[in-house]
Amino acid sequence: AQTVTQSQPEMSVQEAETVTLSCTYDTSESDYYLFWYKQPPSRQMILVIRQEAYKQQNATENRFSVNFQKAAKSFSLKISDSQLGDAAMYFCAYRPRLNTGTASKLTFGTGTRLQVTL
Amino acid sequence: NAGVTQTPKFQVLKTGQSMTLQCAQDMNHEYMSWYRQDPGMGLRLIHYSVGAGITDQGEVPNGYNVSRSTTEDFPLRLLSAAPSQTSVYFCASSYTGDSGNTIYFGEGSWLTVV
Repeated sequence: AQTVTQSQPEMSVQEAETVTLSCTYDTSESDYYLFWYKQPPSRQMILVIRQEAYKQQNATENRFSVNFQKAAKSFSLKISDSQLGDAAMYFCAYRPRLNTGTASKLTFGTGTRLQVTL
Repeated sequence: NAGVTQTPKFQVLKTGQSMTLQCAQDMNHEYMSWYRQDPGMGLRLIHYSVGAGITDQGEVPNGYNVSRSTTEDFPLRLLSAAPSQTSVYFCASSYTGDSGNTIYFGEGSWLTVV
């Protein structure tokens, strides 16, 4: 079974600084997707960034980028120029690319709460 | 463009009562699923469906029933509510296959069982 581990329950960053959130996962699959979701206090699940495992290039979305290390099964999220609106819970998630049946499910980590201070 | 719509958004139930959480999507997605989110945990899969008439259990199915009579709708039924089912529930949908790398979530349903 796949597992996703986020070892940092809470992180804090000053506004305009950079912060990196860690995620490791375990799978026997070779082809899969990895995601970072943001969950503000409203509890809405917002997709931040997505990485396809078959792509070597790290995904970027504006101030958000990932460091994907397939051999190490590591998928960290870097937030640059942090803003107050970035404060939220961040979840790392995994999904096999061959998403049929139970393989379709997302496996989530337990989340990292990010605080942004002035 | 409604996306994934969940109702109700908030509900308080008494122990032993039954209720249905509604989920509808207007994107013609084959795959729909229900997750629950408890404090300190990520989302956990309750039930899922890969198409109309096809459902299966996820990680935490006990106490819940689902059906999928249409592509659009995937209701979640609590048969006899228990305090342990107090949680935030999310419905999600996507295409299957290679197109399924974008998962759409509803806004969540907050359920309290007293």
